[in-house]
Amino acid sequence: IAGITQAPTSQILAAGRRMTLRCTQDMRHNAMYWYRQDLGLGLRLIHYSNTAGTTGKGEVPDGYSVSRANTDDFPLTLASAVPSQTSVYFCASSGTSDTGELFFGEGSRLTVL
Amino acid sequence: GQNIDQPTEMTATEGAIVQINCTYQTSGFNGLFWYQQHAGEAPTFLSYNVLDGLEEKGRFSSFLSRSKGYSYLLLKELQMKDSASYLCAVLDSNYQLIWGAGTKLIIKP
Repeated sequence: IAGITQAPTSQILAAGRRMTLRCTQDMRHNAMYWYRQDLGLGLRLIHYSNTAGTTGKGEVPDGYSVSRANTDDFPLTLASAVPSQTSVYFCASSGTSDTGELFFGEGSRLTVL
Repeated sequence: GQNIDQPTEMTATEGAIVQINCTYQTSGFNGLFWYQQHAGEAPTFLSYNVLDGLEEKGRFSSFLSRSKGYSYLLLKELQMKDSASYLCAVLDSNYQLIWGAGTKLIIKP
């Protein structure tokens, strides 16, 4: 089934640990995004990539890094997790970078203790 | 700054009609989008408006007035499965999506 796959779906980790959230899409979409969703707040963009080989910072990039080595994969890394990074993380993709029609993965629920 | 406002929560009755409003102030405008998000699931695209007027898609319709910075999502013949959060988002002049916090819609039998 075509779409976006995120892993892990849920994770608890200790503060200070390094964590990578994986995201893979098989729709050959050019643009990919990482959002975090917290209660009472709208989706907030962490990082994005308009095409393979390029990345950009979103609204809340601090403490996160991304890479886009190929079209399909867009991992998000927390170098040293802090409790404020406890959130639900959504990866999304779109055919082009100038559209608001996004396809979302199922989300990764991360708890930092 | 940029902001999108929508009610936090609404309650409606099965079989009825509900209108969810969204007002926005953004740097430029390249379209307004509505998404549906069931609890614990991913958002899914519902509708897109870029010109003024009403776009109808089955039981769901979305309206846009660019001069008023206003949109609404109209849901008819409500079903229990329509219980979800509805997210309003605007594509600004830099083609960045600005998201509202979402409206939680509760459907009662």
